[in-house]
Amino acid sequence: DAGVIQSPRHEVTEMGQEVTLRCKPISGHNSLFWYRQTMMRGLELLIYFNNNVPIDDSGMPEDRFSAKMPNASFSTLKIQPSEPRDSAVYFCASRRLAGVANEQFFGPGTRLTVL
Amino acid sequence: QQQVKQSPQSLIVQKGGISIINCAYENTAFDYFPWYQQFPGKGPALLIAIRPDVSEKKEGRFTISFNKSAKQFSLHIMDSQPGDSATYFCAASNVGDQFYFGTGTSLTVIP
Repeated sequence: DAGVIQSPRHEVTEMGQEVTLRCKPISGHNSLFWYRQTMMRGLELLIYFNNNVPIDDSGMPEDRFSAKMPNASFSTLKIQPSEPRDSAVYFCASRRLAGVANEQFFGPGTRLTVL
Repeated sequence: QQQVKQSPQSLIVQKGGISIINCAYENTAFDYFPWYQQFPGKGPALLIAIRPDVSEKKEGRFTISFNKSAKQFSLHIMDSQPGDSATYFCAASNVGDQFYFGTGTSLTVIP
């Protein structure tokens, strides 16, 4: 299995630009999570989906952030407009909702730098 | 309100020593308690997990001790090795729900 795939791995952009992060979950997984990691705030849950439906987006910082999951094999996290304080590593994780199985599998992350 | 509190923030241990990281949780309904290990430049990966029906789980050099009445659980790394140097996160959840992660512990094992 290829694991969770994220792209790009690194993104450098200027303040005010639109940024789109992409995630392909593990095949057969039906739950997807977006996290943000910084030194100051640690690992923060931004939003998660079950069966492509957003369940909890209370962690999304503000309206500049939006996430979609149009199908079971693809999700995007968009920041528009981006700001320097959005600089962080963004992780996508997926999980298979079945019985007592609960492990989340993380992707390698996207390191975002907003200048 | 922080659902899971983790300590210490950083830990330095000599090779061969025991590393201990502690976590405390608030919600008594939580029924899944994983520990994740993260190396620099990588995503977190599941190390070991426990459910509240047992007080201890051991996998190789890694042991989770769980105290349901105190709402606490800890990770013990026996015979710590330089290769164990990483950041460790505890978490708690209900099955099928989101994870509530601790703030992480940076472990350095000195040769």
